[in-house]
Amino acid sequence: DIQMTQSPSSLSASVGDRVTITCRASQGINNYLAWFQQKPGKAPKSLIYGAFNLQSGVPSKFSGSGSGTDFSLTISSLQPEDFATYYCQQYYSYPPTFGGGTKVEFK
Amino acid sequence: EVQLVESGGGLVQPGGSLRLSCTASGFTFSSYWMSWVRQAPGKGLEWVANINPDGSGTFSVDSVKGRFTFSRDNTKNSLFLQMNSLRAEDTALYYCARVDILSGSGSWFHWGQGSLVAVSS
Repeated sequence: DIQMTQSPSSLSASVGDRVTITCRASQGINNYLAWFQQKPGKAPKSLIYGAFNLQSGVPSKFSGSGSGTDFSLTISSLQPEDFATYYCQQYYSYPPTFGGGTKVEFK
Repeated sequence: EVQLVESGGGLVQPGGSLRLSCTASGFTFSSYWMSWVRQAPGKGLEWVANINPDGSGTFSVDSVKGRFTFSRDNTKNSLFLQMNSLRAEDTALYYCARVDILSGSGSWFHWGQGSLVAVSS
C-alpha cells in the first residue's frame, strides 16, 4: 500500500495568513492526488484533484502543487471559514489511501 | 443536484451484523462506480470499498474482506454494505461517495453525510 504522510498534523494560524500543508507519498503517484477539507460533523469536501486542478466552486485562494511523491496545498489568505482539517488522498493504485490529516486552528 | 443519503447505522454487539444503505438521486446512478469510506471517531479517513457500475466487481480494503459484502440495486438507485462479524475497530461513520475520477483507484467529488456504526457490548 502507498503510505501518505501529511505535515504538519496541526497548525495554528491567523486570519490573512498564508498556509501550506505538505503531503508525501511513499512511492511515485504521478499527479493522482486529491485534497479534501473537512469541518466538524460534516462530510469531506473535494478541493483539488489531479494535484493542482481546482474543484468547481472552490475559491482560488486554494492551490495545489507538486508531482511524483511530494505535494502541497496552499491557502493564500486564511479566512474564518477555512479553519478545518485537510486530507490528501492518492488514487494512483489500490487501495486508495489518505494522509493522516492537518488540523488548521485559530491562533 | 447530486444527493447521497446513508441509512441503517446503529449500535451492534461484537460479532453482530448490520446493513447500510445509500440512496442516490440527481444523477444516473447506474453509470457510476461508488465507494464506501469510513471514519472512526476522532480519526482520519479510510477507504473501505469500490463497486463498479453494474455491481459485478468490487475492490475492498484487506481488513474487511470475508466479513463485508458490497452490492447495489440500480433499479432503486441504492448502494448496500452488508457488515458481518463486526469488531470494535469497525466503529466509524460510514460515508458513501460517488467515484468522479476514474483514474487509478478513483476519487470523489460527492459524499453523503454518513451513517454511524457503533460496535460495542
